[in-house]
Amino acid sequence: GQQVMQIPQYQHVQEGEDFTTYCNSSTTLSNIQWYKQRPGGHPVFLIQLVKSGEVKKQKRLTFQFGEAKKNSSLHITATQTTDVGTYFCAGPGYSTLTFGKGTMLLVSP
Amino acid sequence: GAGVSQSPSNKVTEKGKDVELRCDPISGHTALYWYRQRLGQGLEFLIYFQGNSAPDKSGLPSDRFSAERTGESVSTLTIQRTQQEDSAVYLCASSSGRAGTQYFGPGTRLLVL
Repeated sequence: GQQVMQIPQYQHVQEGEDFTTYCNSSTTLSNIQWYKQRPGGHPVFLIQLVKSGEVKKQKRLTFQFGEAKKNSSLHITATQTTDVGTYFCAGPGYSTLTFGKGTMLLVSP
Repeated sequence: GAGVSQSPSNKVTEKGKDVELRCDPISGHTALYWYRQRLGQGLEFLIYFQGNSAPDKSGLPSDRFSAERTGESVSTLTIQRTQQEDSAVYLCASSSGRAGTQYFGPGTRLLVL
């Protein structure tokens, strides 16, 4: 079945440093979604990418969808302590979304 | 409603007891999902309801787990004869269609002693 893999599993940065998480699918995706889960919270939808090569920005967050629509990345510029949490990517599977296992980001002040 | 709601928010039970968890999806959302999330882990898909279609139960870990949904409204997840390994956060999500953006509830934190 479809697999969605994320790397790294965990990253610890100093506030102000950049951060990137990568998402790779075993199959071509019609779209990819990104979610953020704060510690103790629930996943919250961030964005959806649909087009090949699409790049979208949300303030310091940059999301990219690969040309082959099998990979995606989320880059955070100049991290802040409010960026702490786990970032999940998800792609449409047979009947629902298939979530990656997430990248946990820890930011030290 | 304004968002997905779940109850109870926390549940402590003894090993061997049955528990029932409830999810109220966003009004009008035809799709409803249940996930299990163990501490520090990712989202483990359990079951998916889409309208009046037969649910996708492929993620249920054992026959102790079952779920029901009445039409396009409330869903209940039942765990029979709970075991300590069932301790986790159980998240419910709803969306307006298959593989659409999912809106998650706050979860039920289950602790089996």
